[in-house]
Amino acid sequence: DAGITQSPRYKITETGRQVTLMCHQTWSHSYMFWYRQDLGHGLRLIYYSAAADITDKGEVPDGYVVSRSKTENFPLTLESATRSQTSVYFCASSDPGLANQETQYFGPGTRLLVL
Amino acid sequence: GENVEQHPSTLSVQEGDSAVIKCTYSDSASNYFPWYKQELGKRPQLIIDIRSNVGEKKDQRIAVTLNKTAKHFSLHITETQPEDSAVYFCAASRFYGNNRLAFGKGNQVVVIP
Repeated sequence: DAGITQSPRYKITETGRQVTLMCHQTWSHSYMFWYRQDLGHGLRLIYYSAAADITDKGEVPDGYVVSRSKTENFPLTLESATRSQTSVYFCASSDPGLANQETQYFGPGTRLLVL
Repeated sequence: GENVEQHPSTLSVQEGDSAVIKCTYSDSASNYFPWYKQELGKRPQLIIDIRSNVGEKKDQRIAVTLNKTAKHFSLHITETQPEDSAVYFCAASRFYGNNRLAFGKGNQVVVIP
């Protein structure tokens, strides 16, 4: 679990501000994912990445931007934060080269409050 | 895409009793089914998983069963303990797919001492 970290762990921002959530993994996993978790909705996929420079939309990508210039990092940017983006954000990683290739390992989460 | 549903949404059990959570999925091509446990304020963690080539898998007090024909799979927790209180998420994906998991909305399990 210590191999995937997120920062910041807590963030308060205001509507309209740009916010970037960081995710870093030390396992060299090729796949990385961003989820948001809201009561009653479970885990919803925002974006995912199969490798460096390859990203794709998930279920709820609107209002978010991602990049993956290096395998180990997968930042998530809220370009203009809205109150509806108040949530807990989880980053996860997995690797098809492993025996349990689909297993996703989650980071500790970032709690974001948009005022 | 895949749609995963979990029932019931909340389950209360007496300590020592068994708990069963059922999930249904829609995509017959799905062949990997993990269960994640999330304690309050913590990250989801894998507790057990099953692939479509087996019907049941056990690990100490937890087990998962799969019915491919009916497209459902269940988590069984025996001899429940207070530390089993958590939210449990089921998920489904295709083997050799894009490593995406479709998650259910979660079940809150409360073990009453």
